[in-house]
Amino acid sequence: GNSVTQMEGPVTLSEEAFLTINCTYTATGYPSLFWYVQYPGEGLQLLLKATKADDKGSNKGFEATYRKETTSFHLEKGSVQVSDSAVYFCALTSANQAGTALIFGKGTTLSVSS
Amino acid sequence: GAGVSQSPSNKVTEKGKDVELRCDPISGHTALYWYRQSLGQGLEFLIYFQGNSAPDKSGLPSDRFSAERTGGSVSTLTIQRTQQEDSAVYLCASSGRGAEQFFGPGTRLTVL
Repeated sequence: GNSVTQMEGPVTLSEEAFLTINCTYTATGYPSLFWYVQYPGEGLQLLLKATKADDKGSNKGFEATYRKETTSFHLEKGSVQVSDSAVYFCALTSANQAGTALIFGKGTTLSVSS
Repeated sequence: GAGVSQSPSNKVTEKGKDVELRCDPISGHTALYWYRQSLGQGLEFLIYFQGNSAPDKSGLPSDRFSAERTGGSVSTLTIQRTQQEDSAVYLCASSGRGAEQFFGPGTRLTVL
């Protein structure tokens, strides 16, 4: 079945460090890929998305490229800030499942210190 | 503009009791989803409503869980005879024409 695997956290970085959170997926067909973020005490928010191979999603300095050959969608940011501290979820949707229901990875906690 | 709202924000109940959780989707969104977020299982899909079609219940963990959506808008998730393993945050999301799902703040359910 469809699944998402992302690196386990927590990830602890100093401000202005480079961030990579790895995400790989298993899916039949052509899934759409997403990164959601959950800031402390808040609900899930869409961070970025990519709907086809080689697409790059970007938002707030974060980027992720849909790599079909490696079935990956790694999240990167060149210079993290304290305000980026949150839990990050990689997710996919596939036409083979209920509507566009999201399948999530287990989440990666990012903690950025000044 | 109004986002997805859920009520109550917190619910504490005793094992064996029934609970109802409510979701108000974004006006005009035809798709509505329920998910569960728990420490052990992460984020899991529960049930999906699309327009007037029969809901997809493939993610419901047991027959104690049910949901309905009245008038294509508000949805209620009901858990009967709650168990301690039902303790989790229950999230509702809605979407319109695009694939982006907008999430509510969740209901934190604690079963004692």
